[in-house]
Amino acid sequence: TQLLEQSPQFLSIQEGENLTVYCNSSSVFSSLQWYRQEPGEGPVLLVTVVTGGEVKKLKRLTFQFGDARKDSSLHITAAQPGDTGLYLCAGAGAGGTSYGKLTFGQGTILTVHP
Amino acid sequence: EAQVTQNPRYLITVTGKKLTVTCSQNMNHEYMSWYRQDPGLGLRQIYYSMNVEVTDKGDVPEGYKVSRKEKRNFPLILESPSPNQTSLYFCASSYETPGIAAPNTGELFFGEGSRLTVL
Repeated sequence: TQLLEQSPQFLSIQEGENLTVYCNSSSVFSSLQWYRQEPGEGPVLLVTVVTGGEVKKLKRLTFQFGDARKDSSLHITAAQPGDTGLYLCAGAGAGGTSYGKLTFGQGTILTVHP
Repeated sequence: EAQVTQNPRYLITVTGKKLTVTCSQNMNHEYMSWYRQDPGLGLRQIYYSMNVEVTDKGDVPEGYKVSRKEKRNFPLILESPSPNQTSLYFCASSYETPGIAAPNTGELFFGEGSRLTVL
């Protein structure tokens, strides 16, 4: 079983602060996704990273895939109350018996106070 | 409107009473999957299907069954529910199996969730 350790589990910050969420594993993933989930809804995809070392930016959000494709990070610059939510990383299996499996981290509950 | 529809959204049942949670998608997606979400554990994959009549176990398949007779439907069956299956369940679909190289992102589209309580 592939595992993804996501940290921190809870993050409570003030508007305007920066933050980073980490996703780490001992397994290699063929791709890694970040989702955001609002209460009462299903997760919604933010980004997919595929290549080791890849960096993607989505407005104030920066996503990075580790060189060895075992870890990823999500950095938010100047957080806003609208960023509040549950952030989930998910790694896609890298072939063999892992093909088709998508492993999620435990999630990070982010609260941004005005 | 492109969507994944789950039913029921809420269900309270008793131990041992068989139940089915239906999932239907209207996007002609090949890949479908079921997850359960529990506090502190994130989403855990129960079963997935890469195509019609092809299903495979995820990380927590015990106590569950699935079938994929049609492309659009992927029901989750609890033959004899137990209290440890009390959870929030999500069905998801994707155009292709996640993990295939870019440009396909393997984006999962999730239903709104089904909250199941087993007494």
